[in-house]
Amino acid sequence: EIVLTQSPGTLSLSPGDRATLSCRASQSIASGHLAWYQKKLGQPPRLLIFDASSRATGIPDRFSGSGSGTDFTLTVSRLEPDDFAVYYCQQYANSPPYTFGQGTKLEIK
Amino acid sequence: QVQLVQSGAEVKKPGSSVKVSCKSSGDTFSSYAISWVRQAPGQGLEWMGGIIPIFGTPNYAQKFQGRVTITADEAASTAYMELSGLRSEDTAVYFCSRDMFRGLYYNCALDVWGQGTTVTVSS
Repeated sequence: EIVLTQSPGTLSLSPGDRATLSCRASQSIASGHLAWYQKKLGQPPRLLIFDASSRATGIPDRFSGSGSGTDFTLTVSRLEPDDFAVYYCQQYANSPPYTFGQGTKLEIK
Repeated sequence: QVQLVQSGAEVKKPGSSVKVSCKSSGDTFSSYAISWVRQAPGQGLEWMGGIIPIFGTPNYAQKFQGRVTITADEAASTAYMELSGLRSEDTAVYFCSRDMFRGLYYNCALDVWGQGTTVTVSS
């Protein structure tokens, strides 16, 4: 089973800043089969990025994903107030089972 | 646009079982894998298992083997997740979700999610 480790655990930034979130896998993820989700309290997860770098429908271009192998990054440029949430990475290269990272909380500084 | 609508909140006693439903509003229900993911209070997302309705074959995370049963009713476009032997640690929000692409069966992201069902286990 592939284990995903996200860092940092919490990221404190201000609106307008740039956020860089990391997701490291315990083994190489084939074909960049990694997704990023945004999770807010009381809401289901929202798919942001799939296949490491493709934006899901309706996701603004402030969100971008990159990486390959074992190291992946989600970047949010020009943070807006609505972007402060918890972000999870998920792999689907060696699934089932799907595995998720433990999450990065993006909070307002 | 496809929607997944889940059944309502449940309060259960320790040792009992709970069954949560997930109804798809769109067609082509059978050709997508449906997964169940839970989030306990203050914790992250955890995949429990899934099913491909057209085949009827479930897959379970090792952690839940023996306690979870996932089924699907193609005629009703509905998937079900039953968890038995409930304990306080099973208190969580349970989500159903659907593969992003038809026919890829667990080899793609999850783009459609139910609204979540809160299950509280308390004596």
